[in-house]
Amino acid sequence: SQQGEEDPQALSIQEGENATMNCSYKTSINNLQWYRQNSGRGLVHLILIRSNEREKHSGRLRVTLDTSKKSSSLLITASRAADTASYFCATDMGSGSRLTFGEGTQLTVNP
Amino acid sequence: EAGVVQSPRYKIIEKKQPVAFWCNPISGHNTLYWYRQNLGQGPELLIRYENEEAVDDSQLPKDRFSAERLKGVDSTLKIQPAELGDSAVYLCASSRITGPETQYFGPGTRLLVL
Repeated sequence: SQQGEEDPQALSIQEGENATMNCSYKTSINNLQWYRQNSGRGLVHLILIRSNEREKHSGRLRVTLDTSKKSSSLLITASRAADTASYFCATDMGSGSRLTFGEGTQLTVNP
Repeated sequence: EAGVVQSPRYKIIEKKQPVAFWCNPISGHNTLYWYRQNLGQGPELLIRYENEEAVDDSQLPKDRFSAERLKGVDSTLKIQPAELGDSAVYLCASSRITGPETQYFGPGTRLLVL
């Protein structure tokens, strides 16, 4: 069963715009990760945020985590056509627990 | 550093036939995962190995699915017999240890059961 739900399911923007994707989850977590999947490829890890962190940055990526609302957001700034992919959040409940993925947001960046 | 290698990349079989997938994880990664990803959904864990031991196989349909990881390196996932509903992408991933670690995914095997 899927732990997380991404919102929106699909997002289409123009190159240069910012893209924001949201993830909500149901149970308490230890960590939350975001992965990207290009069509027909495996997933690539983007960023990990721990439950005691509220915000994290990596290049053009900004992730926030609100454990009181059980939600996270991924912001991609100054988007590029190469950012076109599906983005998944994944949560775990601590060492030894499985990683549970949401259903993903399909991002299309138009040149 | 070579990534996770999976083969075959694509497989088309008729229902009731057997099928096997192979995965070679990143060198030095002790933990290996098999996931199934249905169209339009996120991956779902089938089984997790720590070295050669299966430590989480609660989501593996054991009546028809089996997996092994001999010598704690390569792994194979087998389905016998395959059903129409098994059509999906089967992803293998590895990590250095189990925990809040980055998992590295292979490209997957796309299975179509006719």
